[in-house]
Amino acid sequence: EAGVTQSPTHLIKTRGQQVTLRCSPISGHTSVYWYQQALGLGLQFLLWYDEGEERNRGNFPPRFSGRQFPNYSSELNVNALELEDSALYLCASSLAVGRNQPQHFGDGTRLSIL
Amino acid sequence: EDQVTQSPEALRLQEGESSSLNCSYTVSGLRGLFWYRQDPGKGPEFLFTLYSAGEEKEKERLKATLTKKESFLHITAPKPEDSATYLCAVWGGNQFYFGTGTSLTVIP
Repeated sequence: EAGVTQSPTHLIKTRGQQVTLRCSPISGHTSVYWYQQALGLGLQFLLWYDEGEERNRGNFPPRFSGRQFPNYSSELNVNALELEDSALYLCASSLAVGRNQPQHFGDGTRLSIL
Repeated sequence: EDQVTQSPEALRLQEGESSSLNCSYTVSGLRGLFWYRQDPGKGPEFLFTLYSAGEEKEKERLKATLTKKESFLHITAPKPEDSATYLCAVWGGNQFYFGTGTSLTVIP
């Protein structure tokens, strides 16, 4: 069974640019979550999508946004990049919520802002 | 405020020296506690789910237990390949709350 896949694996951008990160969940999983993990810090919750709808978002500015497609894949968009956006961005998927299913993670996209 | 706290932040063990990692939480309406292992530059790897106080799960040298306010990850006779950061998370109803992890180093 294929795991969660994320692309690209690495990105280098400059301040002010925009970036799109992509995530394909495990087959059969309908929920997708996005996290930011800055160097040496814990996982910070960004967004949760389920069945194509945004269910919850963390304490991040509106320039962080995303969507989930009918095939349950997802993308995360970050506008007006700032230096502090440099981090590992992790995507996770799970079976439908309400059943307390664990998340399964991809290996992330490493975003570096110069 | 919903919160997950892990201790210690870092732990160094000799190979074969057993120990425990702690995860305490203040999430109301706990609906699941999850343990993960994260290697450098990788995404977290799922280890265990615990749903109710008294529950225990085991996998190789790892054993996870759950009480009403905390969970323990017991590592028995660890090996160098057990070196990683161990994360716990709880599902609070509308999001997962993660602790900052315990960085475990097992010295040969």
